[in-house]
Amino acid sequence: AQTVTQSQPEMSVQEAETVTLSCTYDTSESDYYLFWYKQPPSRQMILVIRQEAYKQQNATENRFSVNFQKAAKSFSLKISDSQLGDAAMYFCAYRSVETSGSRLTFGEGTQLTVNP
Amino acid sequence: EAGVAQSPRYKIIEKRQSVAFWCNPISGHATLYWYQQILGQGPKLLIQFQNNGVVDDSQLPKDRFSAERLKGVDSTLKIQPAKLEDSAVYLCASSFGATTNEKLFFGSGTQLSVL
Repeated sequence: AQTVTQSQPEMSVQEAETVTLSCTYDTSESDYYLFWYKQPPSRQMILVIRQEAYKQQNATENRFSVNFQKAAKSFSLKISDSQLGDAAMYFCAYRSVETSGSRLTFGEGTQLTVNP
Repeated sequence: EAGVAQSPRYKIIEKRQSVAFWCNPISGHATLYWYQQILGQGPKLLIQFQNNGVVDDSQLPKDRFSAERLKGVDSTLKIQPAKLEDSAVYLCASSFGATTNEKLFFGSGTQLSVL
């Protein structure tokens, strides 16, 4: 079974600065998807960014980018020019390609605080 | 575009009571998911429907949890009888299809407290 680990329960960053959230995962599969989701106090999970394992190029979405290291099974999220609205719980998630109808497996989350 | 609707937003019950949660997915979305999110943890899939059929319910505690999706649209998740450890946020999500790269859209969840 796949596992996802987020070793930073809490992180903080100054507004306009850059912060990196860490995620590692364990799998024996070669093809899969990785995701970062944001969960604000409203509880609604919002997709931030998605990475396909067979693509070597790191995904980027505006101020959000990832550092995907497949051999190391590492998938970190970098938030540039942090804004107050970025404050939320961030979850890393894994989804197998090889298993039909496979589920999303989430990490434990990292609570991000943005200081003005 | 309307999002995933869930109700109620909060529910407080005593242990051994029954409770039901309702979810209405985005129109046209064939796949519906129920996740359980215990405080301090990431969401865990309870059950996945494709139209009105069950795709994955391997992590659903079937002795007390049940779910249905009649007519392949909205869905109800029930707990009977509830235990203290069922206190959690229950999130519903939907996607257009069931392929792995599909984007999931989440509702705002129902927060359940079992006393």
